[in-house]
Amino acid sequence: EVQLVESGGGLVQPGGSLRLSCAASAFTFSRYEMNWVRQAPGKGLEWVSYISGSGGTMYYADSVKGRFTISRDNAKSSLYLQMNSLRAEDTAVYYCARAGYYDSSGYYYEGYDYWGQGTLVTVSS
Amino acid sequence: SYEVTQPPSVSVSPGQTARITCSADALPKQYAYWYQQKPGQAPVVVIYKDSERPSGIPERFSGSSSGTTVTLTISGVQAEDEADYYCQSADSSGTYQVFGGGTKLTVL
Repeated sequence: EVQLVESGGGLVQPGGSLRLSCAASAFTFSRYEMNWVRQAPGKGLEWVSYISGSGGTMYYADSVKGRFTISRDNAKSSLYLQMNSLRAEDTAVYYCARAGYYDSSGYYYEGYDYWGQGTLVTVSS
Repeated sequence: SYEVTQPPSVSVSPGQTARITCSADALPKQYAYWYQQKPGQAPVVVIYKDSERPSGIPERFSGSSSGTTVTLTISGVQAEDEADYYCQSADSSGTYQVFGGGTKLTVL
């Protein structure tokens, strides 16, 4: 069964840093594009960042550009989000989500088909 | 910044049809995806590529598209369908993903 398990959340002071991890299992991690999505308490979903299967292409929402860095280690089937210069408005549950993949027949994408359970990041003094 | 617009709430009685709309300028060019989220749970995709239904999603969920608007239709709504529904799409470049603000579906 496909699983995504996030970790690394917690309480951090404004201006601080945190690194989130997402451990993937039961699928060929290196083939799949991955994303981070967050949800502030009582609010809607916000896409945060994207990384290609190889790790060579990354995109960021304007709200985190220059502060957050997405990365992956395909040998460890793990996705990461390095968060620096954290602000109160970054307080949210952070989810990792699996997206599409390429193979010899083309691109397969059926939305974010698997999500982790989320990890809570609280930025507060 | 690119915006995806949904109504904040929709209410229907059990057995009726619920329709949730989503509007965005790039929808004629970009597909829309619909997610259902129940309290305390991660989202689940219920419609992809405007109108495709993933395996395991009940047939009462369907999607359609017309110009800059896509619609999620839930036919014969059941109490278990009460949830928040999010529309997701990309800007015209396909680079940036955006979620709508979410629609709370209440089953009366």
